Amino acid sequence: NAGVTQTPKFRVLKTGQSMTLLCAQDMNHEYMYWYRQDPGMGLRLIHYSVGEGTTAKGEVPDGYNVSRLKKQNFLLGLESAAPSQTSVYFCASSYSRDLPSHGYTFGSGTRLTVV
Amino acid sequence: EDQVTQSPEALRLQEGESSSLNCSYTVSGLRGLFWYRQDPGKGPEFLFTLYSAGEEKEKERLKATLTKKESFLHITAPKPEDSATYLCAVQGAGGTSYGKLTFGQGTILTVHP
Repeated sequence: NAGVTQTPKFRVLKTGQSMTLLCAQDMNHEYMYWYRQDPGMGLRLIHYSVGEGTTAKGEVPDGYNVSRLKKQNFLLGLESAAPSQTSVYFCASSYSRDLPSHGYTFGSGTRLTVV
Repeated sequence: EDQVTQSPEALRLQEGESSSLNCSYTVSGLRGLFWYRQDPGKGPEFLFTLYSAGEEKEKERLKATLTKKESFLHITAPKPEDSATYLCAVQGAGGTSYGKLTFGQGTILTVHP
């Protein structure tokens, strides 16, 4: 029972490079989320998806794109990385919008450094 | 817009020294308040959900309480293994359309032996 799996776990990018972060869940969850976590800022919502083929913007979407072509996968893309995107990225999922008693199921995170 | 503020930012305790962490929130129609524990290099791990003022939940040395404006996470006789970042999050009525959680900044707890 893997839950939510994020790849890669660590990555260093040069300014202007692009990359894709992959989130995969095996719990048949409809709702998936990408958050970033920065010191003193808490977790901030980047984009989310309410089902296969759907995506929507969260609080801090600029510089990111997402896709959800398959229900189990939620991809976060950085087209042209900037140092301000240095952060730890967390993927989370939920069965429904009426969050179950434990809220989200989180992945273990991707630590991204942009130099 | 839902807002969550946690205090203190960091807390250092001696083993056995009880204390409390605070989570103040502003939300339109609280649907749930969540407490998570986060260890370094890992994702948040669920602790408690509280739904209405006056509700309390306990797990080992931890006890969470809820009022209409804030929640407290009480730690009784902490041990070094309780050292972690504790996150508070709320779901308001406005977030129910897509299950959004709004998180606080977290409190970094360090328990010294």
